[in-house]
Amino acid sequence: SQTIHQWPATLVQPVGSPLSLECTVEGTSNPNLYWYRQAAGRGLQLLFYSVGIGQISSEVPQNLSASRPQDRQFILSSKKLLLSDSGFYLCAWSVLGQNTGELFFGEGSRLTVL
Amino acid sequence: AQTVTQSQPEMSVQEAETVTLSCTYDTSENNYYLFWYKQPPSRQMILVIRQEAYKQQNATENRFSVNFQKAAKSFSLKISDSQLGDTAMYFCAFIRGEGAQKLVFGQGTRLTINP
Repeated sequence: SQTIHQWPATLVQPVGSPLSLECTVEGTSNPNLYWYRQAAGRGLQLLFYSVGIGQISSEVPQNLSASRPQDRQFILSSKKLLLSDSGFYLCAWSVLGQNTGELFFGEGSRLTVL
Repeated sequence: AQTVTQSQPEMSVQEAETVTLSCTYDTSENNYYLFWYKQPPSRQMILVIRQEAYKQQNATENRFSVNFQKAAKSFSLKISDSQLGDTAMYFCAFIRGEGAQKLVFGQGTRLTINP
């Protein structure tokens, strides 16, 4: 069966520090991968998605970047965190080429920038 | 651009009651899919129910059903015989039909089922 893991679950970082959130999927190949940010009262905002290794699409201009160094690994990064980067980050995957909308989500990573 | 709106930030009902969560969307597409996702307090989001826009029949999954009004661009979720385990954030979501990869979510409705 397929599983998705993301870590760390909780992170407290000072402004200006770097960030790396990792997500891995097991039990499937060539998944679509996504990073969403969840803010209170604002639902889920798509940040990045990837349809293959090294292929990253960015949805909103921001202080963050994403990379996909391996087929089932998706990394969210920042060189210098801002206060506004605080939030709950969700990684998700879907079956490549299947746009039926079913996403499988990780447990989430809560980032607090102080 | 497609948008999804959930006008009820919070709702609360008693166990065993029926509750309806509202969702409206805006799109010029004719072929698309609509979804309700559930995010329990444990935080792992799961798919509850899916509706294809070309299907007139409303989707049902056990105690969960939708009222899909395509002309009105409305997509409400009805939970019958609500249970304590239904307590969660519920998100309405939309995706275009052709080659689209991106799911657009509403703001969410926090539903509490009281004993």
